[in-house]
Amino acid sequence: DVKVTQSSRYLVKRTGEKVFLECVQDMDHENMFWYRQDPGLGLRLIYFSYDVKMKEKGDIPEGYSVSREKKERFSLILESASTNQTSMYLCASSPPGFEQYFGPGTRLTVT
Amino acid sequence: KNEVEQSPQNLTAQEGEFITINCSYSVGISALHWLQQHPGGGIVSLFMLSSGKKKHGRLIATINIQEKHSSLHITASHPRDSAVYICAVSQSNFGNEKLTFGTGTRLTIIP
Repeated sequence: DVKVTQSSRYLVKRTGEKVFLECVQDMDHENMFWYRQDPGLGLRLIYFSYDVKMKEKGDIPEGYSVSREKKERFSLILESASTNQTSMYLCASSPPGFEQYFGPGTRLTVT
Repeated sequence: KNEVEQSPQNLTAQEGEFITINCSYSVGISALHWLQQHPGGGIVSLFMLSSGKKKHGRLIATINIQEKHSSLHITASHPRDSAVYICAVSQSNFGNEKLTFGTGTRLTIIP
């Protein structure tokens, strides 16, 4: 079975802190994605990567950056966390042209 | 107007009923996805289809490309089917499956 893991299920951070969310997949997938999910807005793409060291902005990249140094690992970075970044963050991976596999999500609260 | 619209937003039904969830989209797509999200956050891909119909157990997904419409049907519904069902479309660019999501349909099946 494909496994996508995320570093934390719940995270509480203070405004202004630098936050790292990590995602690891074990199926050698080329594509990896970071989404946030908010009530009434659904899932929105923050960044995605289709290869090591490659990244592309999604629909809402402002306030976020990403890093993909190894194929299996895709990190989301909040350089200076703000309260409007309180959300559920979901990572996913896929081979090109196939369905995505999602991690369990990280519920981030910024106070 | 959202590119992906789902209806209904909420649906409550008795166990055993036949369920239909609808999805309309306004953009050209390479594939349409149906996803299931249980309480707690985990998302599972149910179907990925680009034409016709797919069936998996009690779940059936259909798509009409000309009308830009898809339906997800559940036969003999069961309380364990209670979840949020999400429609998403991909507009593939060189196999990079960026998804655009609907806001989901919350299904509750009463025993």
